[in-house]
Amino acid sequence: KNQVEQSPQSLIILEGKNCTLQCNYTVSPFSNLRWYKQDTGRGPVSLTIMTFSENTKSNGRYTATLDADTKQSSLHITASQLSDSASYICVVRSGTGGFKTIFGAGTRLFVKA
Amino acid sequence: DAGVIQSPRHEVTEMGQEVTLRCKPISGHDYLFWYRQTMMRGLELLIYFNNNVPIDDSGMPEDRFSAKMPNASFSTLKIQPSEPRDSAVYFCASTYRQGYEQYFGPGTRLTVT
Repeated sequence: KNQVEQSPQSLIILEGKNCTLQCNYTVSPFSNLRWYKQDTGRGPVSLTIMTFSENTKSNGRYTATLDADTKQSSLHITASQLSDSASYICVVRSGTGGFKTIFGAGTRLFVKA
Repeated sequence: DAGVIQSPRHEVTEMGQEVTLRCKPISGHDYLFWYRQTMMRGLELLIYFNNNVPIDDSGMPEDRFSAKMPNASFSTLKIQPSEPRDSAVYFCASTYRQGYEQYFGPGTRLTVT
């Protein structure tokens, strides 16, 4: 069964600290993996997208990694800011064609001053 | 570009009533998606269109849900009759091409009492 599991479910960190969010998937065949940031009351915004051959991709203070062998991805946030408080959703697209996508439940991040 | 536009932003209706959600995709985008997000189930793809044609509606929960795209700049998602379990945030998204980033609208928060 195609699944995407994220951990932790929620996380509280102090402003300026780093954190890492995890995503494990069992989607097969694999096409790509995206991380989205969703602010409260708004639609998701894409942070990174990685295909099978990519191990790391950065977007400012956000760095995503992908291990296609173990089917794991992580999103690392450096020097967190209050504006990083949001839900982070891992989304895996199946390689079967079309837009067959499986969404993780998300990690809710709270950055405190 | 103003981004993906959705209306209304909030809708409160009584069980049994018809509800119509509207979406205007980004100009030039050939793909349009309807998603539903709830706390229990997270984000779910309901249906997507390519060049105004419905391609995959396997995510539509039941016959009470229908979606149309009469032209490249407008789509509707209709629920008739509505039920309390339809309460959710409904997002519309568009993209230029398969594999490209999807741009989400601000969502419509639907409450069915």
